[in-house]
Amino acid sequence: QVQLQESGPRLVRPSETLSLTCAVSGGSVISDNWWTWVRQPPGKGLEWIGEIFHAGGTTYNPSLKSRVTISLDKSQNHVSLNLSSVTAADTSIYFCARGTYRKDFYFDLWGQGTLITVSS
Amino acid sequence: SYVLTQPPSVSVAPRQTAKITCGGNDIGGKSVHWYQQKPGQAPVVVVYDDSDRPSGIPERFSGSNSGNTATLTITRVEAGDEADYYCQVWDTTLDDRVFGGGTKLTVL
Repeated sequence: QVQLQESGPRLVRPSETLSLTCAVSGGSVISDNWWTWVRQPPGKGLEWIGEIFHAGGTTYNPSLKSRVTISLDKSQNHVSLNLSSVTAADTSIYFCARGTYRKDFYFDLWGQGTLITVSS
Repeated sequence: SYVLTQPPSVSVAPRQTAKITCGGNDIGGKSVHWYQQKPGQAPVVVVYDDSDRPSGIPERFSGSNSGNTATLTITRVEAGDEADYYCQVWDTTLDDRVFGGGTKLTVL
């Protein structure tokens, strides 16, 4: 079965770029799915960051759009997230998720998440 | 931006019925998805497209959506249902996937 696993540096300095990878195992990123990033500040709610489709389409949260880049590596079968100019407010658990379409897209599979701390 | 409003908390006794609401402007015109998140775990979809249930989710979980309110209903509540629940829609105006603030379900 398909599994998602996030990885990347757990500590990022303020003003630097947060970079995460979501490895997709048991399936291919070249599928009829959107690959999504969601974050959750400790003790708070979920926030959608953005998503990508293998044909190249990307969509970003309007509030983060100027700082976010999501890309897809077909050879490595993973999805990447870059978030630039981070501040303490970006400290969160970051999840990757798979978007599946029926009447609308919903997130039917999630990685376990990884806590990223922004601190000097 | 489109706002989804959930009650911060809902409490229910075991074996009773819990209703968790999600309010939004004309939300009845959108597809609503519901996620369950237990402490330290990733969210899991329990209802998608207003009222459909993924395989493996008990029939006790159901959803409805009309007007300005969507509702997740959990019948015969069990201790294991205690979790945070989030509603989610796609705001087509801004091309933004929006989550509600979440509701903590407590089983008394």
